[in-house]
Amino acid sequence: DAGVIQSPRHEVTEMGQEVTLRCKPISGHNSLFWYRQTMMRGLELLIYFNNNVPIDDSGMPEDRFSAKMPNASFSTLKIQPSEPRDSAVYFCASRSRDRFSPLHFGNGTRLTVT
Amino acid sequence: GENVEQHPSTLSVQEGDSAVIKCTYSDSASNYFPWYKQELGKGPQLIIDIRSNVGEKKDQRIAVTLNKTAKHFSLHITETQPEDSAVYFCAARLVSGGGSNYKLTFGKGTLLTVNP
Repeated sequence: DAGVIQSPRHEVTEMGQEVTLRCKPISGHNSLFWYRQTMMRGLELLIYFNNNVPIDDSGMPEDRFSAKMPNASFSTLKIQPSEPRDSAVYFCASRSRDRFSPLHFGNGTRLTVT
Repeated sequence: GENVEQHPSTLSVQEGDSAVIKCTYSDSASNYFPWYKQELGKGPQLIIDIRSNVGEKKDQRIAVTLNKTAKHFSLHITETQPEDSAVYFCAARLVSGGGSNYKLTFGKGTLLTVNP
């Protein structure tokens, strides 16, 4: 299996621009998570999908952030408009339905907003 | 909610020495404790996990111990090698038959440096 695939690996954009991050989870996994990683706050859970349905979006910082999962093999995280404080590494992770199954992370998207 | 504290934040050892990273958790109901290794430019990868019905688990040079009473769990790496250098994260989760068993709470991470 190719693992969780994220794109792009790096994104540099100007403040105010729209940013879209993409994720392809591992085939057969039914749970998908978006995390943000910064030095100050560590790994923060932004949103969790189960069977393509958003279950918990309480970690989404504000209305500028939105996430979708139109099907079992694709998810997007969108920031509009972007701000410098959004600069971070964004990870997508997926997990199978087995109760004790571990999270499988992608290699992340490093976002820089200037 | 669950809170996981991890210490130390940085750890430097000589090749061949042992390394120990410690974590405490706040929710006594948590029953699943994975450890992740994150190398530069990559996502965290699971290296070992332990369930609350077990006090210790070992996989080659890596072992994890769990003290449910004290709500402590630790990662032990023996005979460290330079390729063990990475950031290590502990985490805790409540696994149940209900709908709240998805949330994995991470510690802040430990940067381990193994000096040749």
